[in-house]
Amino acid sequence: AQTVTQSQPEMSVQEAETVTLSCTYDTSENNYYLFWYKQPPSRQMILVIRQEAYKQQNATENRFSVNFQKAAKSFSLKISDSQLGDTAMYFCAFFQGAQKLVFGQGTRLTINP
Amino acid sequence: EAGVTQFPSHSVIEKGQTVTLRCDPISGHDNLYWYRRVMGKEIKFLLHFVKESKQDESGMPNNRFLAERTGGTYSTLKVQPAELEDSGVYFCASSQLLAGVGNEQFFGPGTRLTVL
Repeated sequence: AQTVTQSQPEMSVQEAETVTLSCTYDTSENNYYLFWYKQPPSRQMILVIRQEAYKQQNATENRFSVNFQKAAKSFSLKISDSQLGDTAMYFCAFFQGAQKLVFGQGTRLTINP
Repeated sequence: EAGVTQFPSHSVIEKGQTVTLRCDPISGHDNLYWYRRVMGKEIKFLLHFVKESKQDESGMPNNRFLAERTGGTYSTLKVQPAELEDSGVYFCASSQLLAGVGNEQFFGPGTRLTVL
């Protein structure tokens, strides 16, 4: 069974700093997708970034980028120039042909002014 | 375009009572998923509909949970009778039916269920 592990329950940084959230996963499959979702306080969960396993190039979305290490089964999220609006729960998730997302435990990120 | 909506946003019931949660997916999304997050733990898959058919219900905890998707539109998740361990946040998500693609699942705001 696929598993996703986020080892940092909480993180806190100052505004404008760079922060990296860790995620590791376990799978025997070769083709799959990895996601980072963000849930701001009292708001809906939204997709931050997606990585397809067969693509070697790391995905980037504005200030958000990933470091995808397939052999190490690692998928970390880097947030550059962090903003107050980045404060949220961040969930790493795995998606493979079974059509369901497998989530990690989440990391609560707080950006301080 | 309206997003995924869920009703109610909060529900507080007593052990042994029945609760029905509703999810309205994004129009045109054939995939509909239910997930649950118990306090402090990971979000776990409950089941997946493709249109009106249950594609995968391997995550349903037990037979106290019944999910339906009438006519392939909205879905309901009924818990009867509710137990204390059913407390948590129930999320609904929907996505387009595109084969072989890691489609983005769009999430609703969740229903926070508290069983006393």
